[in-house]
Amino acid sequence: NAGVTQTPKFQVLKTGQSMTLQCAQDMNHEYMSWYRQDPGMGLRLIHYSVGAGITDQGEVPNGYNVSRSTTEDFPLRLLSAAPSQTSVYFCASSYNLHEQYFGPGTRLTVT
Amino acid sequence: QQQVKQSPQSLIVQKGGISIINCAYENTAFDYFPWYQQFPGKGPALLIAIRPDVSEKKEGRFTISFNKSAKQFSLHIMDSQPGDSATYFCAANYQAGTALIFGKGTTLSVSS
Repeated sequence: NAGVTQTPKFQVLKTGQSMTLQCAQDMNHEYMSWYRQDPGMGLRLIHYSVGAGITDQGEVPNGYNVSRSTTEDFPLRLLSAAPSQTSVYFCASSYNLHEQYFGPGTRLTVT
Repeated sequence: QQQVKQSPQSLIVQKGGISIINCAYENTAFDYFPWYQQFPGKGPALLIAIRPDVSEKKEGRFTISFNKSAKQFSLHIMDSQPGDSATYFCAANYQAGTALIFGKGTTLSVSS
């Protein structure tokens, strides 16, 4: 099993550009989540999904969109990148929203 | 509103010493309290977790102590080793709620 995979590992965007961070898991987990990690702020929940076709907002959803068309994939879209979205993004999956398996992260810089 | 408060922000411990990290929570509906360990450049990984029906859980050198009345829980690392140097996050949630709510993290450095 590959577990949770994320692409790309690194990305630099200019302000106003859009992009999609990819996340995939091969553990047949129903639950998937996106977090951002910033120094001194811990891990903050952006969006999460409890199954294909079902998504909900977390603590910091503004500027991000998600969709869940399959159990395996949960992409995160930045609609119009801003410097405040410079962060490390982690995708996680879980069979019950409790024990979460994290991917290796995507380091995003917005200039 | 921060639902899980973690302290200290950073911690330096001598090799062989005991590392203690504390967390306090507000939502009495929380029923799952894990600790995650994160090494630089990696994603967090589950270390140990506890439910509120027990006061302590031990796995090797790692122990969670849980105080339901005080709404606090802590991680104790016995015989701390340089390889334990990492960032530790406490978290909490409840089955009918959202994904995990994390504390802000504690950076542990174990000096040899």
